[in-house]
Amino acid sequence: GAVVSQHPSWVICKSGTSVKIECRSLDFQATTMFWYRQFPKQSLMLMATSNEGSKATYEQGVEKDKFLINHASLTLSTLTVTSAHPEDSSFYICSARKTGTTSFSYEQYFGPGTRLTVT
Amino acid sequence: AQRVTQPEKLLSVFKGAPVELKCNYSYSGSPELFWYVQYSRQRLQLLLRHISRESIKGFTADLNKGETSFHLKKPFAQEEDSAMYYCALRNQAGTALIFGKGTTLSVSS
Repeated sequence: GAVVSQHPSWVICKSGTSVKIECRSLDFQATTMFWYRQFPKQSLMLMATSNEGSKATYEQGVEKDKFLINHASLTLSTLTVTSAHPEDSSFYICSARKTGTTSFSYEQYFGPGTRLTVT
Repeated sequence: AQRVTQPEKLLSVFKGAPVELKCNYSYSGSPELFWYVQYSRQRLQLLLRHISRESIKGFTADLNKGETSFHLKKPFAQEEDSAMYYCALRNQAGTALIFGKGTTLSVSS
């Protein structure tokens, strides 16, 4: 159990357009989901934390208006990259926390990632 | 500020040799430390967490608060251990994991 999926797995879009990435917890409910960005051969950088039914909390330096996050249900969070530019090209990874886990040693379950290329 | 440092980008060893992947952290409180592994073309998965004190796939890691380290060790490396290893920290507020830059482990015969 505890599978996280992402859709699409890769996407190419033109500069100036918007693209939406979905993150779903398939066999569990996730009150909290996290979005990370990974550049080639580099670490995962936390972008934002989203809680179901409330506004996302963004990390310093991440533009809220550019990276729109919606966590509308306990199994779905979406990241929309608005007015994409080539520098937004990256690997975006979502991660989920099972609802009901109280200890701070909870496990984060990761999706397979979405590769975004902006031309 | 919270920070995780993995000083080695790449660690190459021969099969059967001991392995130690270094991880140091910076956090003023009592963190929770994790090791995640990413095999080729697969997603990140949890390898072990310090609170569990487990040995997974022969790997162990001990939290040393004095040295602020959480090094990952295995006495005899196997070729199937070749992967990217990330050390990660979570603070007492229970927020998202903060990752180090990762170390690629390459085990050859």
